[in-house]
Amino acid sequence: QQQVKQSPQSLIVQKGGISIINCAYENTAFDYFPWYQQFPGKGPALLIAIRPDVSEKKEGRFTISFNKSAKQFSLHIMDSQPGDSATYFCAASYWPNFVFGPGTRLSVLP
Amino acid sequence: GAGVSQSPSNKVTEKGKDVELRCDPISGHTALYWYRQRLGQGLEFLIYFQGNSAPDKSGLPSDRFSAERTGESVSTLTIQRTQQEDSAVYLCASSPAPGQRAGQYFGPGTRLTVT
Repeated sequence: QQQVKQSPQSLIVQKGGISIINCAYENTAFDYFPWYQQFPGKGPALLIAIRPDVSEKKEGRFTISFNKSAKQFSLHIMDSQPGDSATYFCAASYWPNFVFGPGTRLSVLP
Repeated sequence: GAGVSQSPSNKVTEKGKDVELRCDPISGHTALYWYRQRLGQGLEFLIYFQGNSAPDKSGLPSDRFSAERTGESVSTLTIQRTQQEDSAVYLCASSPAPGQRAGQYFGPGTRLTVT
C-alpha cells in the first residue's frame, strides 16, 4: 500500500531525445506527486509536482503525465541535454507522509 | 531565502564512537525529515517530526539511532557506537505547514564515514 514503484532503474538517451520515467502507486490517499532530481554529491531538489485533479503539468522541458484511474504517473524530459544526467526520484504524498520510488539514473549522451 | 542547511558536510569517525549530525530547516517549515542514502541507492526514511506531535520513528534501523528537534527549529540525529554499515549520506528535509501540498526541500547532506 505504501510502496511506489519506479522504472526503469537506469536510462540512456541521446542528446535531444525524450526521456521517460514511470511510477506507480497503490494508496489512493496520496494527493501530491513530486519529482526530484539529484546530482552526485548533492541533495535531491524538487523539480516538478502534480496534484491528482489534473492530468498533465508542464514546466519548460519537463512534463508530468498523471493517470488517476491507473494510479500511474510519469516524467517526460523533452530535448534531453547532458546536463540532465542525474538520478530522478518520484514520490507520492499525503502530507506529511512522503513515499519515494527507488530512483532512475539518467545518462544523456552528447 | 535560505535553504535547509546541514552540518558537518563530512564526518569521519572511528567505529564505536558516537556522532551528532545537525539540520537547520527552512524557517516556518513545520515538518522535518531524516533520510539515509547509501552510495548509489535510494532514500531510506529514518524519522520525521511534525509540529508538537510525537515523531514518527518507524524508520530508525536500531536503538543506536535517535533524533531530537527543538520546537520547529534545529534537529540533531545521533548515532551511538557507530558501525561501518552506518557509512552513508544522511539527508535532512523540511516541508511547509499542512494544507499547502508542498514537497520536501532537502539539505546537501552529511557524508558519514566510519572507519
